[in-house]
Amino acid sequence: QVQLQESGPGLVKPSETLSLTCTVSGGSISSYYWSWIRQPPGKGLEWIGYIYYSGSTNYNPSLKSRVTVSVDTSKNQFSLRLSSVTAADTAVYYCARLSGLYTSGSYQTYFDYWGQGTLVTVSS
Amino acid sequence: DIQMTQSPSSLSASVGDRVTITCRASQSISTYLNWYQQKPGKAPKLLIYAASNLQSGVPSRFSGSGSGTDFTLTISGLQPEDFATYYCQQSHSTPLYAFGQGTKLEI
Repeated sequence: QVQLQESGPGLVKPSETLSLTCTVSGGSISSYYWSWIRQPPGKGLEWIGYIYYSGSTNYNPSLKSRVTVSVDTSKNQFSLRLSSVTAADTAVYYCARLSGLYTSGSYQTYFDYWGQGTLVTVSS
Repeated sequence: DIQMTQSPSSLSASVGDRVTITCRASQSISTYLNWYQQKPGKAPKLLIYAASNLQSGVPSRFSGSGSGTDFTLTISGLQPEDFATYYCQQSHSTPLYAFGQGTKLEI
């Protein structure tokens, strides 16, 4: 059973960089896409970006200028860096596996495994 | 950019009821639509992928339908553990993986 666990500081100062790591256990990080998703308190879900185990990435255009996602296959981990944070970046941050399959002639993708989430508060 | 709109935003129902939640995309997304269930303090859980495919381990009382711009999630015979918030999510166009705003299902 694949398990994901987020780790990192729970408090970040405004204008600084938020850094989180997701450790994957119960399976290899290879051959899958891995993603970060966040949820401000009491609000909905926002996709941040994903990385393939080979290192290729795709980011939400609304965050692209501030986001970097990286992968360390030797440690079965991937990481998120979000720069120049403000109070608006306060959220529960989830890591998730992005899986896909061909069905009815199209390649469909979905988030099938999630970490428990970690609350990051941006405050001085 | 594609916008995903769910209705209603909240819904009250009773155990045993049949409920339907709607998700509308601002442009056609074929069947690139997934549904998730989220309970308070927990991560979302995948229920339905590709509009109508039941994820392994999810009870058969959950079903999804639709294509193009209009989609529905139906729960037939509500159970106490089904009271949660439900999100639709598209995987077709920019911004990739945009979610709906959620539908809170309450007792």
